[in-house]
Amino acid sequence: DIQMTQSPSTLSASVGDRVTLTCRASQSISSWLAWYQQKPGRAPKLLIYKASSLESGVPSRFSGSGSGTEFSLTISSLQPDDFATYYCQRYNSYPWTFGQGTKVEIK
Amino acid sequence: QITLKESGPTLVKPTQTLTLTCTFSGFSLNNSGVGVAWIRQPPGKALEWLALIYWNDNKRYSPSLGSRLTISKDTSKDQVVLSMTNMDPVDTATYFCAHVQAVAAYFDYWGQGTLVTVSS
Repeated sequence: DIQMTQSPSTLSASVGDRVTLTCRASQSISSWLAWYQQKPGRAPKLLIYKASSLESGVPSRFSGSGSGTEFSLTISSLQPDDFATYYCQRYNSYPWTFGQGTKVEIK
Repeated sequence: QITLKESGPTLVKPTQTLTLTCTFSGFSLNNSGVGVAWIRQPPGKALEWLALIYWNDNKRYSPSLGSRLTISKDTSKDQVVLSMTNMDPVDTATYFCAHVQAVAAYFDYWGQGTLVTVSS
């Protein structure tokens, strides 16, 4: 199976910071990658699909980039509502797999 | 508006079979290109995709759990059912169902999740 590795595991940042989260695939997945945001006790929320396409209704401060094996999610100016855990997910082939998550916490 | 909701037991004993139901609205599994997936999340841990069923009854399972899982649909009730045999305490998790489009294969709508605890 293709493994997804996210880094860092935890990121401490302040409101207004620009933050970048990374997701690496153990082999190429082209652009078949999604990003989700999850808050405690809640279901994940789709943010980005096909590596860089912004889901409808998601604020434009979120952006995704990358292809092949290296991907990133950038939040241009961190807002209080953005403190959460973020997961990447590949869907190029079965079994679909998620990364282990990056928790964005208040510095 | 697409909504999904999971239902089933909150507590099961080891070796028992878990049966979960996903009841959805806002779409039909009779429509081409539509699917419903199950994903789980142990407390404090990452998400794990389990199974998927498409409108054409095509089914996919996680290889790590495949022999224990069965997914089915009842289009007349707008429901998808997941069964998992031989439950173990390590299967304690929140179980989510989610809407998938065959051409997209990411999870664009999620249920709220249901916590299942495996304990004697």
